[in-house]
Amino acid sequence: GEDVEQSLFLSVREGDSSVINCTYTDSSSTYLYWYKQEPGAGLQLLTYIFSNMDMKQDQRLTVLLNKKDKHLSLRIADTQTGDSAIYFCADPKGAAGNKLTFGGGTRVLVKP
Amino acid sequence: GAGVSQTPSNKVTEKGKYVELRCDPISGHTALYWYRQSLGQGPEFLIYFQGTGAADDSGLPNDRFFAVRPEGSVSTLKIQRTERGDSAVYLCASRLDAQEGTPQFFGPGTRLTVL
Repeated sequence: GEDVEQSLFLSVREGDSSVINCTYTDSSSTYLYWYKQEPGAGLQLLTYIFSNMDMKQDQRLTVLLNKKDKHLSLRIADTQTGDSAIYFCADPKGAAGNKLTFGGGTRVLVKP
Repeated sequence: GAGVSQTPSNKVTEKGKYVELRCDPISGHTALYWYRQSLGQGPEFLIYFQGTGAADDSGLPNDRFFAVRPEGSVSTLKIQRTERGDSAVYLCASRLDAQEGTPQFFGPGTRLTVL
């Protein structure tokens, strides 16, 4: 969706950290989401952050939110080959955030 | 606990035919969503149901697309007179309720190919 933008591709070595970036335009969003999609599969909810937070950590995942710049990032520590997938950020729109607007996805390739 | 399920997983049809795609949401989830994902893109919203009623169908591309949820659980997305441009993965999601902060959980999708 044109309201949410992500870089297309990220290559990272196993054991390194990955950082996936996302920018959005709707400043009224109260939550922002990260989903993971493996080949041929649906979307798996990874994590989400409330808009009044700057950071949220969940095991190897760290979400950073810069609300002023409308910039969201997902950091994956100690990246594993199983982390190879497409990652989507999603901005909920409409009443109660029922309509998720997705970025185009960032394909992450983890090299051994 | 079962997640969202969708059938069939793959559907190949010919241009002009009618297709139905089915979604079984997570038990107890009152809100149900349909999205369409074209190759190399993120999913795009089509329609969502709160209970039995379509609360927002603003994403349906034209009147060939229709969806129902007659008993407030299973939903069927119906596409009439299919066109090659309808080829995509159709994703269904459900949510405990249509409230801020409750996330949507997705099924594996139905890959539709129109020849």
